[in-house]
Amino acid sequence: EVQLVESGGGLVQPGGSLRLSCAASGFTFSSYEMNWVRQAPGKGLEWVSYISSSGSTIYYADSVKGRFTISRDNAKNSLYLQMNSLRAEDTAVYYCARGFGSYWGQGTLVTVSS
Amino acid sequence: VMTQSPAFLSVTPGEKVTITCQASEGIGNYLYWYQQKPDQAPKLLIKYASQSISGVPSRFSGSGSGTDFTFTISSLEAEDAATYYCQQGNKHPRTFGQGTKLEIK
Repeated sequence: EVQLVESGGGLVQPGGSLRLSCAASGFTFSSYEMNWVRQAPGKGLEWVSYISSSGSTIYYADSVKGRFTISRDNAKNSLYLQMNSLRAEDTAVYYCARGFGSYWGQGTLVTVSS
Repeated sequence: VMTQSPAFLSVTPGEKVTITCQASEGIGNYLYWYQQKPDQAPKLLIKYASQSISGVPSRFSGSGSGTDFTFTISSLEAEDAATYYCQQGNKHPRTFGQGTKLEIK
């Protein structure tokens, strides 16, 4: 069974940092591209970042470029999102998703507030 | 940019539902449709504009290519109350439509 489990969310002050993790199981993680998608409270879905299966190709939404870094460790079946210089508008549930959204995690809530 | 409409629908069970998504430039058939229920992660319903997903009821279908796409629920059921999103996968950023909230009358 495919499983994606996010962790690392929480309350952080503006300007702070957080590192999200996504633990993958039930499939050959190294064969799949991965994405981070977020959803602010009461709002729609926003694509955040993409990483290819090997990690060699990476893209970011303009809203997070220069502040967020996506990475993966295929040996550990894990996806990461390092979030720096956090702003109030980064408050959202963050989901990891496999490929074109065939599987999603349950999400982890990031709250940026003083 | 993906322009999805309508933003809200209120429909009686058994009726047909149609949601449209328009891309600002051609995206081929790289269009995906998701269903999201409250406090749940999105669920993929349709891939590559019209391809069904295993385990998804056959009342859900999609069509279109290029810039204009349509998502259809052939006969609405109460459990279909949710918000529906399109997403383009042709190039980055992989933008989502604004969503359509579907209410059951």
